[in-house]
Amino acid sequence: QVQLVQSGAEVKKPGASVKVSCKASGYTFTSYGISWVRQAPGQGLEWMGWISAYNGDTDYAQKFQGRVTMTTDTSTSTAYMELRSLRSDDTAVFYCARAKGYCTNGVCFGLEPFDSWGQGTLVTVSS
Amino acid sequence: EIVLTQSPGTLSLSPGERATLSCRAGRSVSSNYLAWYQQKPDQAPRLLIYGASRRATGIPDRFSGSGSGTDFTLTISRLEPEDFAVYYCQQYGSSPWTFGQGTKVEI
Repeated sequence: QVQLVQSGAEVKKPGASVKVSCKASGYTFTSYGISWVRQAPGQGLEWMGWISAYNGDTDYAQKFQGRVTMTTDTSTSTAYMELRSLRSDDTAVFYCARAKGYCTNGVCFGLEPFDSWGQGTLVTVSS
Repeated sequence: EIVLTQSPGTLSLSPGERATLSCRAGRSVSSNYLAWYQQKPDQAPRLLIYGASRRATGIPDRFSGSGSGTDFTLTISRLEPEDFAVYYCQQYGSSPWTFGQGTKVEI
């Protein structure tokens, strides 16, 4: 069965960076991409971006452009999300989710919904 | 960016009742790439409906989705105790892949 297992909770100081991992199993990793979704305490879901595990194409939400980097390691079927210059309002649970899409001429499109999710990683930003 | 507006914000119902949740898009959702997710406290979201009306694997048939273009609806025909949760719509056809703000279904 499809499984996405994320790394454990993190506590960071303002200005620091965090890197969250998402290890996939139960499917062909390079046939899908991975999206990252943020959920602040008591708030809704916020899409951060997507990476193709096939060719590394990325699509970041404008809000996170310049502060986020998404990568994959196909040898271990693991996706990573690094968020830099952390602020207190970055305190949230971060989810990875399997998502199929593609990019052409610099524009990206989704093809399938987020059908499998990781368990979430709580990142707390506090001085 | 396609803004999704869900209504109502909170729906107070009893087990056995019918729930109707609305999701309105700021512009047409391409290919009806509209999904619904259920989220319970301290859990990851779960995919319920995709393509506006297709149930995901293992989802009971009391959940149904309808709509096209800019207006979409999630209906739960008879609420079970485990259905009390927050529901989000999402469009995944065009970037950025946006979510609605959620509807809480409470007892």
